Amino acid sequence: QQQVKQSPQSLIVQKGGISIINCAYENTAFDYFPWYQQFPGKGPALLIAIRPDVSEKKEGRFTISFNKSAKQFSLHIMDSQPGDSATYFCAASRTGGKLIFGQGTELSVKP
Amino acid sequence: NAGVTQTPKFRILKIGQSMTLQCAQDMNHNYMYWYRQDPGMGLKLIYYSVGAGITDKGEVPNGYNVSRSTTEDFPLRLELAAPSQTSVYFCASSGVDSSNSPLHFGNGTRLTVT
Repeated sequence: QQQVKQSPQSLIVQKGGISIINCAYENTAFDYFPWYQQFPGKGPALLIAIRPDVSEKKEGRFTISFNKSAKQFSLHIMDSQPGDSATYFCAASRTGGKLIFGQGTELSVKP
Repeated sequence: NAGVTQTPKFRILKIGQSMTLQCAQDMNHNYMYWYRQDPGMGLKLIYYSVGAGITDKGEVPNGYNVSRSTTEDFPLRLELAAPSQTSVYFCASSGVDSSNSPLHFGNGTRLTVT
C-alpha cells in the first residue's frame, strides 16, 4: 500500500513533442503528489506538485493531471525541449508523512 | 547561499570499512533526510530528523546510523560497509515536513563498496 509505481522507465521524445509520465498509488490516505526533476550529477529538485482537491495543475509547459478515482496522476511536458532531458520522479505522501518516490523515468528529448 | 552541501562527492570503500558521509545545510531547516538512489528503484529514505537531537528510521535503515547534534549538520555513518551499500546517497532538508514543503537536495555522494 505504500508503493508508488511509475512508468515508463525511459522515454525518448522528439523536440516539440509531448512527454507523458504516469504514476499510480494504492494508499487512499495520500494527499500530496509532487514531481521532482533531476539532471545528471545533481540532486532532484521540486518541479510541480498537486493536491487532490484539483484535477489539473499547470505551470508553464508542465502539467499534472490527477485522477482520484483511478488513483493515478501524470506529468505532461508540452513542446518538449532538449533542456528537459532529465530523470523525473513522482512521489506521494499523506499530510505529515514521508514522501514515497516512484522508480524514476529517464527522459531524452532529441533535437 | 550554498543550500545543502554533501562531502565527499565520490568514495570507494573496501568491504568491512567504515565511513561518514557529511551533510550540512545553511537554510535553518528543521527537517533533514538521507536517501539512497539505485537504478530503477527511485529514492529510498534511510533516516530522517525533525530537529537537533531527534532522529528516526526510514524505509531502509539497516547498516546505517545518524546523529543530529546541530540544526545544520546531519552526518550518515556506514559501519562495516557491504557491496549492497553501493549507491548514490542524497541528503535533503525542508523547512517543515515534506508533505508541506519542498525537499532541497544536495548533489549526492557516489559510494562504491568492493
